[in-house]
Amino acid sequence: EVQLVESGGGLVQPGGSLRLSCAASGFTFSSYWMHWVRQAPGKGLVWVSRINSDGSSTSYADSVKGRFTISRDNAKNTLYLQMNSLRAEDTAVYYCARDQGPGTEFDPWGQGTLVTVSS
Amino acid sequence: QPVLTQPPSSSASPGESARLTCTLPSDINVGSYNIYWYQQKPGSPPRYLLYYYSDSDKGQGSGVPSRFSGSKDASANTGILLISGLQSEDEADYYCMIWPSNAYVVFGGGTKLTVL
Repeated sequence: EVQLVESGGGLVQPGGSLRLSCAASGFTFSSYWMHWVRQAPGKGLVWVSRINSDGSSTSYADSVKGRFTISRDNAKNTLYLQMNSLRAEDTAVYYCARDQGPGTEFDPWGQGTLVTVSS
Repeated sequence: QPVLTQPPSSSASPGESARLTCTLPSDINVGSYNIYWYQQKPGSPPRYLLYYYSDSDKGQGSGVPSRFSGSKDASANTGILLISGLQSEDEADYYCMIWPSNAYVVFGGGTKLTVL
């Protein structure tokens, strides 16, 4: 069964850091682009970042560029999101998702991990 | 980054059809893009439904009923998700998505569909 399981969320103060992980199983992780998408409470989906299959190419939404870093460890079948200089507006559920393409649909999605930035 | 416009809400009765729209900004042509659609129910992650480029280039997510279909209205620069034979379980939020380039993705603001 294809599965993505996020972890690492929690409460952090403004200006703080957090690293999210997404453990993949049931498929050849190293063959797929991966994404992070977030959803603030009661709001819509917002794409955050993308990494290609070997980790050599990344891209970011303008709102997180320079603060967040996406990476992957294909030996461990794990995707990461290092989040620095966190702001209140970064509060959201963060989902990892597999890109079926590359550059196509996101399927499947993980269950998400909640990040709360508050003092 | 382009903004995809979706009506915040829509409603229809069981057995009827629901037509959800996703309007692209005027400077990008809907005819040039795959439009992807996702369904999200409360407390759950999004679920991929389908994509639509043209009648000859479209795809359905695994296990997604054929009641869900996509189309485009070029005159309105809009992607459309049509749900026929509405069921109570179709009540959810629906999001459209495009790849304006191979570097990033944009989601619409989402439509909350109520099945009356």
